[in-house]
Amino acid sequence: QKEVEQDPGPLSVPEGAIVSLNCTYSNSAFQYFMWYRQYSRKGPELLMYTYSSGNKEDGRFTAQVDKSSKYISLFIRDSQPSDSATYLCAMSATGTASKLTFGTGTRLQVTL
Amino acid sequence: DTEVTQTPKHLVMGMTNKKSLKCEQHMGHRAMYWYKQKAKKPPELMFVYSYEKLSINESVPSRFSPECPNSSLLNLHLHALQPEDSALYLCASSQANTEAFFGQGTRLTVV
Repeated sequence: QKEVEQDPGPLSVPEGAIVSLNCTYSNSAFQYFMWYRQYSRKGPELLMYTYSSGNKEDGRFTAQVDKSSKYISLFIRDSQPSDSATYLCAMSATGTASKLTFGTGTRLQVTL
Repeated sequence: DTEVTQTPKHLVMGMTNKKSLKCEQHMGHRAMYWYKQKAKKPPELMFVYSYEKLSINESVPSRFSPECPNSSLLNLHLHALQPEDSALYLCASSQANTEAFFGQGTRLTVV
């Protein structure tokens, strides 16, 4: 079993839809949770960063962490064609310079 | 400024060549990382430098040699690579226990 599970998609939604992206994990030591957006042949771009449980909102993006269920989500409101990319969840445990454990990434396509 | 700058953007090298990848950040981060990413796969950690000292080496072959000359710079020296080493090489930086910021990567092709 992988430490972090993420549905690879592809996920296709119409413009304006609400998108829900999810990851589950097995390592209870994870406390730092990140969502990255990666366009083809580019580096990952940090979208959201959350420590421990709770919600965080930034513009059209909302990140949720439920540590009791070992489940994290990213919601994208009013999705745009420019949101078409691969979304990677990543997480790390405590300690300095901790290694990030990534999900496999979900490929999202927002259609006109 | 949350920028991590990597050079070159693209690199083609023969199996007998020696080349270096460079990474620079000016965010005052004390941890810097090299990741390797193959197509349609997530990034895989190669090396971690913490306070300019190598703290994690994920059993990477010796044909990859990292170097951290100072707190802002990170190099990856390449020698005698194989075609299967062709990938996107990503540099990242972070403060301890905070989010990691990635560069745009160097797309390496070994011929």
